Amino acid sequence: AQSVTQPDIHITVSEGASLELRCNYSYGATPYLFWYVQSPGQGLQLLLKYFSGDTLVQGIKGFEAEFKRSQSSFNLRKPSVHWSDAAEYFCAVGFGLYKLSFGAGTTVTVRA
Amino acid sequence: DAGITQSPRHKVTETGTPVTLRCHQTENHRYMYWYRQDPGHGLRLIHYSYGVKDTDKGEVSDGYSVSRSKTEDFLLTLESATSSQTSVYFCAILRGYGYTFGSGTRLTVV
Repeated sequence: AQSVTQPDIHITVSEGASLELRCNYSYGATPYLFWYVQSPGQGLQLLLKYFSGDTLVQGIKGFEAEFKRSQSSFNLRKPSVHWSDAAEYFCAVGFGLYKLSFGAGTTVTVRA
Repeated sequence: DAGITQSPRHKVTETGTPVTLRCHQTENHRYMYWYRQDPGHGLRLIHYSYGVKDTDKGEVSDGYSVSRSKTEDFLLTLESATSSQTSVYFCAILRGYGYTFGSGTRLTVV
């Protein structure tokens, strides 16, 4: 069965520091991969997606993610975080677009 | 987000009562979804629809039913609400190459 794992429940990072959020999946083939962000009390916003091609993808708000087939991973990164990046981040995977499975989420706290 | 609205935004209901949540879209997208969000579980798919009167179950469908009589509306019904159904419910549409989510409905079953 397909599964998505976000190993880190909570990460605290200083403003201006770099951020990396991990995502691992279990599938028989390369799935479609997504990262979403949820600010407190809000819905989910798409940060970036990977379907095929270049394994380093750029998203909104200065985020990027790298797909590594050998590690079944799709980690999210940002070189320098801002206080407004404090949120919960979800990795999602699916075969095709029609049914996505979400990870449990990683909460990011940004300290001044 | 523009194009998708959920109602109500908040609801408190008693155990055993029926509850219907509504998702409305204005852009004529074929695929619509209902997810529930719970701490430690992320989002879990309840039901989804791939057209008018075409629906299918997700991973946590027990206790829920859905209906889609018009393209723009996807209804989620809890036939007899239980405390385990206290959650935040999100509707989503498949728009282009990604999902767009509504703002959510916070449901509390007391």
